[in-house]
Amino acid sequence: KNQVEQSPQSLIILEGKNCTLQCNYTVSPFSNLRWYKQDTGRGPVSLTIMTFSENTKSNGRYTATLDADTKQSSLHITASQLSDSASYICVVRGMGNQFYFGTGTSLTVIP
Amino acid sequence: DTEVTQTPKHLVMGMTNKKSLKCEQHMGHRAMYWYKQKAKKPPELMFVYSYEKLSINESVPSRFSPECPNSSLLNLHLHALQPEDSALYLCASSQAPGTGKGGNYGYTFGSGTRLTVV
Repeated sequence: KNQVEQSPQSLIILEGKNCTLQCNYTVSPFSNLRWYKQDTGRGPVSLTIMTFSENTKSNGRYTATLDADTKQSSLHITASQLSDSASYICVVRGMGNQFYFGTGTSLTVIP
Repeated sequence: DTEVTQTPKHLVMGMTNKKSLKCEQHMGHRAMYWYKQKAKKPPELMFVYSYEKLSINESVPSRFSPECPNSSLLNLHLHALQPEDSALYLCASSQAPGTGKGGNYGYTFGSGTRLTVV
Protein backbone atom coordinates (compact mmCIF):
# COMPACT_ATOMS: atom_id res chain seq x y z
CA LYS A 1 0.00 0.00 0.00
CA ASN A 2 1.34 3.42 -0.94
CA GLN A 3 1.74 5.52 2.18
CA VAL A 4 3.62 8.55 3.42
CA GLU A 5 4.28 8.96 7.13
CA GLN A 6 5.69 12.02 8.79
CA SER A 7 7.16 12.53 12.22
CA PRO A 8 6.93 14.13 14.61
CA GLN A 9 3.28 15.11 14.41
CA SER A 10 4.07 18.40 16.15
CA LEU A 11 7.18 20.15 17.33
CA ILE A 12 7.90 23.22 19.43
CA ILE A 13 11.35 24.77 19.30
CA LEU A 14 13.02 27.96 20.45
CA GLU A 15 13.82 30.64 17.94
CA GLY A 16 17.32 30.24 16.56
CA LYS A 17 17.46 26.48 17.10
CA ASN A 18 17.69 23.85 14.39
CA CYS A 19 15.21 21.05 13.81
CA THR A 20 14.72 18.05 11.55
CA LEU A 21 11.44 16.69 10.22
CA GLN A 22 11.11 13.14 8.91
CA CYS A 23 9.19 11.60 6.02
CA ASN A 24 9.07 7.85 5.34
CA TYR A 25 7.24 6.49 2.33
CA THR A 26 6.30 3.22 0.73
CA VAL A 27 5.22 4.67 -2.62
CA SER A 28 6.38 2.62 -5.57
CA PRO A 29 7.21 3.37 -8.26
CA PHE A 30 8.66 6.66 -7.08
CA SER A 31 8.78 9.77 -9.24
CA ASN A 32 9.69 12.59 -6.88
CA LEU A 33 9.30 13.91 -3.35
CA ARG A 34 8.39 17.44 -2.44
CA TRP A 35 8.37 19.31 0.85
CA TYR A 36 5.76 22.01 1.27
CA LYS A 37 5.29 24.69 3.89
CA GLN A 38 1.70 25.61 4.66
CA ASP A 39 0.73 28.60 6.74
CA THR A 40 -2.64 28.39 8.44
CA GLY A 41 -5.46 29.05 6.00
CA ARG A 42 -3.15 29.33 2.99
CA GLY A 43 -2.16 27.01 0.18
CA PRO A 44 1.02 24.93 0.48
CA VAL A 45 4.18 26.48 -0.91
CA SER A 46 6.92 24.29 -2.33
CA LEU A 47 10.26 24.29 -0.52
CA THR A 48 12.19 21.58 -2.35
CA ILE A 49 11.62 18.85 -4.91
CA MET A 50 13.85 15.81 -5.27
CA THR A 51 14.05 12.90 -7.66
CA PHE A 52 15.54 9.51 -6.82
CA SER A 53 18.99 10.54 -8.05
CA GLU A 54 19.23 13.53 -5.71
CA ASN A 55 20.52 13.08 -2.15
CA THR A 56 20.31 16.62 -0.86
CA LYS A 57 18.87 19.93 -1.90
CA SER A 58 18.90 23.28 -0.15
CA ASN A 59 16.63 26.29 -0.27
CA GLY A 60 17.99 28.95 2.05
CA ARG A 61 17.74 27.69 5.62
CA TYR A 62 15.88 24.57 4.45
CA THR A 63 17.85 21.47 3.48
CA ALA A 64 16.12 18.30 2.32
CA THR A 65 17.75 14.90 2.08
CA LEU A 66 16.53 11.81 0.30
CA ASP A 67 17.58 8.18 0.67
CA ALA A 68 15.75 6.37 -2.11
CA ASP A 69 17.03 3.00 -0.91
CA THR A 70 15.47 3.27 2.53
CA LYS A 71 12.64 5.50 1.25
CA GLN A 72 13.30 8.20 3.78
CA SER A 73 13.53 11.94 3.51
CA SER A 74 14.25 14.65 6.02
CA LEU A 75 13.83 18.40 6.10
CA HIS A 76 16.36 20.27 8.21
CA ILE A 77 15.61 23.83 9.24
CA THR A 78 18.58 25.87 10.38
CA ALA A 79 18.45 28.87 12.72
CA SER A 80 14.69 28.80 13.00
CA GLN A 81 12.63 31.99 12.85
CA LEU A 82 9.18 32.80 14.17
CA SER A 83 7.94 32.84 10.56
CA ASP A 84 8.89 29.17 10.22
CA SER A 85 5.84 28.31 12.34
CA ALA A 86 3.65 26.36 9.93
CA SER A 87 2.70 22.87 8.84
CA TYR A 88 5.26 21.02 6.75
CA ILE A 89 3.89 18.46 4.35
CA CYS A 90 5.77 15.75 2.48
CA VAL A 91 4.21 14.75 -0.86
CA VAL A 92 5.42 11.80 -2.91
CA ARG A 93 4.54 11.42 -6.56
CA GLY A 94 4.11 7.91 -7.83
CA MET A 95 2.78 6.86 -11.23
CA GLY A 96 1.06 9.39 -13.42
CA ASN A 97 -1.09 11.82 -11.49
CA GLN A 98 -0.90 9.86 -8.24
CA PHE A 99 0.29 12.06 -5.39
CA TYR A 100 0.49 10.81 -1.81
CA PHE A 101 0.37 13.23 1.09
CA GLY A 102 1.90 12.85 4.50
CA THR A 103 -0.17 13.98 7.49
CA GLY A 104 2.20 16.85 8.11
CA THR A 105 4.31 18.14 10.96
CA SER A 106 3.08 21.20 12.81
CA LEU A 107 6.05 23.34 13.78
CA THR A 108 5.81 26.13 16.34
CA VAL A 109 8.77 28.41 16.88
CA ILE A 110 8.65 30.35 20.13
CA PRO A 111 10.70 33.40 21.14
CA ASP B 1 3.96 33.16 -14.63
CA THR B 2 4.55 30.42 -12.07
CA GLU B 3 1.40 30.80 -10.03
CA VAL B 4 -1.95 29.18 -9.58
CA THR B 5 -4.58 31.84 -8.90
CA GLN B 6 -7.74 31.04 -6.99
CA THR B 7 -10.77 33.27 -6.57
CA PRO B 8 -12.44 34.24 -4.39
CA LYS B 9 -10.14 34.02 -1.37
CA HIS B 10 -13.09 33.84 1.00
CA LEU B 11 -16.68 32.80 0.40
CA VAL B 12 -19.66 32.60 2.72
CA MET B 13 -22.74 30.94 1.29
CA GLY B 14 -26.07 29.66 2.47
CA MET B 15 -27.17 26.10 2.03
CA THR B 16 -29.53 27.03 -0.80
CA ASN B 17 -27.03 29.16 -2.73
CA LYS B 18 -25.20 28.35 -5.93
CA LYS B 19 -21.62 29.59 -6.19
CA SER B 20 -18.46 28.77 -8.10
CA LEU B 21 -14.79 28.63 -7.21
CA LYS B 22 -12.30 29.50 -9.91
CA CYS B 23 -8.73 28.44 -10.54
CA GLU B 24 -6.36 29.66 -13.26
CA GLN B 25 -2.79 28.82 -14.27
CA HIS B 26 -0.66 29.82 -17.25
CA MET B 27 2.27 27.44 -16.78
CA GLY B 28 1.15 25.08 -19.52
CA HIS B 29 0.25 22.43 -16.97
CA ARG B 30 -2.20 19.90 -18.37
CA ALA B 31 -3.24 18.34 -15.05
CA MET B 32 -5.35 20.25 -12.56
CA TYR B 33 -6.72 19.23 -9.20
CA TRP B 34 -9.25 20.19 -6.57
CA TYR B 35 -8.52 19.43 -2.95
CA LYS B 36 -10.54 19.94 0.23
CA GLN B 37 -8.66 20.60 3.42
CA LYS B 38 -10.05 20.67 6.93
CA ALA B 39 -8.16 22.33 9.78
CA LYS B 40 -5.00 20.50 10.87
CA LYS B 41 -5.49 17.77 8.24
CA PRO B 42 -3.68 17.14 4.97
CA PRO B 43 -5.51 18.01 1.74
CA GLU B 44 -7.99 15.41 0.48
CA LEU B 45 -8.16 14.86 -3.25
CA MET B 46 -11.55 15.57 -4.84
CA PHE B 47 -11.06 15.70 -8.62
CA VAL B 48 -8.30 15.41 -11.18
CA TYR B 49 -8.47 16.74 -14.72
CA SER B 50 -5.91 15.57 -17.23
CA TYR B 51 -5.86 17.20 -20.65
CA GLU B 52 -9.19 18.88 -19.80
CA LYS B 53 -10.90 15.56 -19.13
CA LEU B 54 -12.05 14.37 -15.72
CA SER B 55 -9.78 11.46 -14.86
CA ILE B 56 -10.39 11.03 -11.14
CA ASN B 57 -13.48 11.66 -9.03
CA GLU B 58 -12.87 10.54 -5.45
CA SER B 59 -16.54 9.74 -4.81
CA VAL B 60 -17.33 13.38 -4.21
CA PRO B 61 -21.03 14.23 -3.58
CA SER B 62 -22.85 15.63 -6.59
CA ARG B 63 -23.36 18.99 -4.85
CA PHE B 64 -19.75 19.60 -6.01
CA SER B 65 -19.51 19.83 -9.78
CA PRO B 66 -16.13 20.42 -11.45
CA GLU B 67 -15.63 21.94 -14.87
CA CYS B 68 -12.53 22.46 -16.98
CA PRO B 69 -13.44 24.90 -19.80
CA ASN B 70 -9.89 25.00 -21.18
CA SER B 71 -6.33 24.03 -20.29
CA SER B 72 -5.83 27.10 -18.07
CA LEU B 73 -9.07 27.18 -16.12
CA LEU B 74 -10.69 24.94 -13.56
CA ASN B 75 -13.99 25.66 -11.85
CA LEU B 76 -15.79 24.05 -8.96
CA HIS B 77 -19.54 24.68 -8.94
CA LEU B 78 -21.23 24.46 -5.57
CA HIS B 79 -24.92 23.87 -4.91
CA ALA B 80 -26.91 22.92 -1.82
CA LEU B 81 -23.85 22.54 0.37
CA GLN B 82 -23.90 21.51 4.01
CA PRO B 83 -22.16 23.21 6.94
CA GLU B 84 -19.71 20.30 7.10
CA ASP B 85 -18.51 21.29 3.62
CA SER B 86 -16.90 24.37 5.17
CA ALA B 87 -13.18 24.02 4.52
CA LEU B 88 -10.21 25.39 2.60
CA TYR B 89 -10.51 24.41 -1.07
CA LEU B 90 -7.21 24.16 -2.85
CA CYS B 91 -6.53 24.05 -6.54
CA ALA B 92 -3.26 22.65 -7.85
CA SER B 93 -1.70 22.01 -11.21
CA SER B 94 1.16 19.91 -12.51
CA GLN B 95 2.76 18.64 -15.68
CA ALA B 96 0.70 15.74 -16.90
CA PRO B 97 2.28 12.34 -17.55
CA GLY B 98 3.67 11.74 -20.99
CA THR B 99 4.65 15.34 -21.58
CA GLY B 100 8.32 14.41 -21.82
CA LYS B 101 9.19 16.78 -18.98
CA GLY B 102 10.87 14.11 -16.91
CA GLY B 103 10.17 13.27 -13.29
CA ASN B 104 11.33 16.49 -11.74
CA TYR B 105 7.98 18.17 -11.29
CA GLY B 106 5.22 18.26 -8.76
CA TYR B 107 2.27 20.29 -7.67
CA THR B 108 1.93 24.03 -7.69
CA PHE B 109 -0.83 25.01 -5.30
CA GLY B 110 -3.07 28.04 -5.27
CA SER B 111 -3.60 30.02 -2.08
CA GLY B 112 -7.00 28.45 -1.58
CA THR B 113 -10.58 29.59 -1.07
CA ARG B 114 -11.81 29.61 2.49
CA LEU B 115 -15.42 28.44 2.21
CA THR B 116 -17.95 28.83 5.02
CA VAL B 117 -21.42 27.32 4.62
CA VAL B 118 -24.05 28.79 6.92
